[in-house]
Order: sequence, then structure tokens, then C-alpha cells
Amino acid sequence: QKEVEQNSGPLSVPEGAIASLNCTYSDRVSQSFFWYRQYSGKSPELIMSIYSNGDKEDGRFTAQLNKASQYVSLLIRDSQPSDSATYLCAVNSRGYNKLIFGAGTRLAVHP
Amino acid sequence: SAVISQKPSRDICQRGTSLTIQCQVDSQVTMMFWYRQQPGQSLTLIATANQGSEATYESGFVIDKFPISRPNLTFSTLTVSNMSPEDSSIYLCSVEDIMGQMDSGQYFGPGTRLTVT
Repeated sequence: QKEVEQNSGPLSVPEGAIASLNCTYSDRVSQSFFWYRQYSGKSPELIMSIYSNGDKEDGRFTAQLNKASQYVSLLIRDSQPSDSATYLCAVNSRGYNKLIFGAGTRLAVHP
Repeated sequence: SAVISQKPSRDICQRGTSLTIQCQVDSQVTMMFWYRQQPGQSLTLIATANQGSEATYESGFVIDKFPISRPNLTFSTLTVSNMSPEDSSIYLCSVEDIMGQMDSGQYFGPGTRLTVT
């Protein structure tokens, strides 16, 4: 079992729709969870962090965390073509600063 | 977030040679990391660069192949030694714990695209 799992996609959504990206992790003691966006040919960009169970909203982005189910998700409301990118889920390992990355989900938002 | 630069941005090298990649941050940071991202893959941590001591390497990465320096809180280098085509990848540095900002997450430099022929 991989430590951090994501569906590779591509996830295709129409412009204006909600995109839902999911991630599961195996290490129960993980405390910090991050979502990164990576455009083709660019480095990852941190867009959301979440540390407590529940929802965290930032503009069009909402991160959701359920530690009991070892599940974290990212919702993108009013999706735009500029949101088309690979989204990487990252989880800290055993309470240390080291991050474990998922393989990423490719999102395609079509007009 | 901090401004992170890497040099070179890209290079084409011959097998058997070595390349040193530099990472510079515009503010002091506690933690610096080096990652590799092979084509179409996610990020794999190579090592944590510790200021004033030896780097901490992940399983599958060794100091002889990837020596790292971290002389101060704003600068680190990664050397890819005795390169082979399998080392062709994007190498990224990242930083965390920017002074005064707790739980700030990791921020990445622009990366160095290395091609070994």
C-alpha cells in the first residue's frame, strides 16, 4: 500500500463546476496535510494546508480532513480553465517535517 | 512566503561528470530539502539539508552520489555525482519553517532540469 494515494485522473470537469480531488494516507500519526498545484513544466505551488478535522476554506478552494478515515480532499468551486494542472496531496511523516507526496491527480477544466 | 532561486535552471551533462545545483533563499529558514521529480512522476525526497551538520538521506540515496552542503540558513547545494542517464530529472529544493512563521508548509524553488547524455 502506498503511503499517500491519489487517483491519477485525468479528472475532467466543465468550466464553472466543482472539482473534487481526493487523497488517502496510511500513517495514522500524520498531523499536517497539504495540497500543491503544479502546472506543466513548473514547480509545485502550495495552495492549501489543513491540520484539524473538518473544512478549511480559502477563496474558491476548500480542504476537507477526516483523520478517522485517513482521508483528505480538495474542492475547487467555479472551476476555471486556469485551474487545469496536476494537484499533489502531501502528508507529513510521523510528525516530522518530511513530506510524503502522492502521485498527483491531473485536472482538466474545459470551457 | 520566501523567494527561492536555483541555479542552473537547466543543464545537459555528459555521463560520468558531476553537477552542483545551488539553492538560495531570501530569508533565513530552518529546514531545507532536496527532491527529485522524474518525468511524469511525483516528488521523491532525496535528503534534508541540515545547517552545520551532515545531511539526512532517505532510503535509496547516499552521500557519495548526492553530496549536500548547507553552510548557512539561506543557502544549500546539491551535487549529482558520476552522472548516468538515469539521473535525468528535475531537482527541486524546498524550504520550511521560515523564521517567525510556524507551520508554514514547504515552498519550492523553480527547479533544475538535468539531462544526462
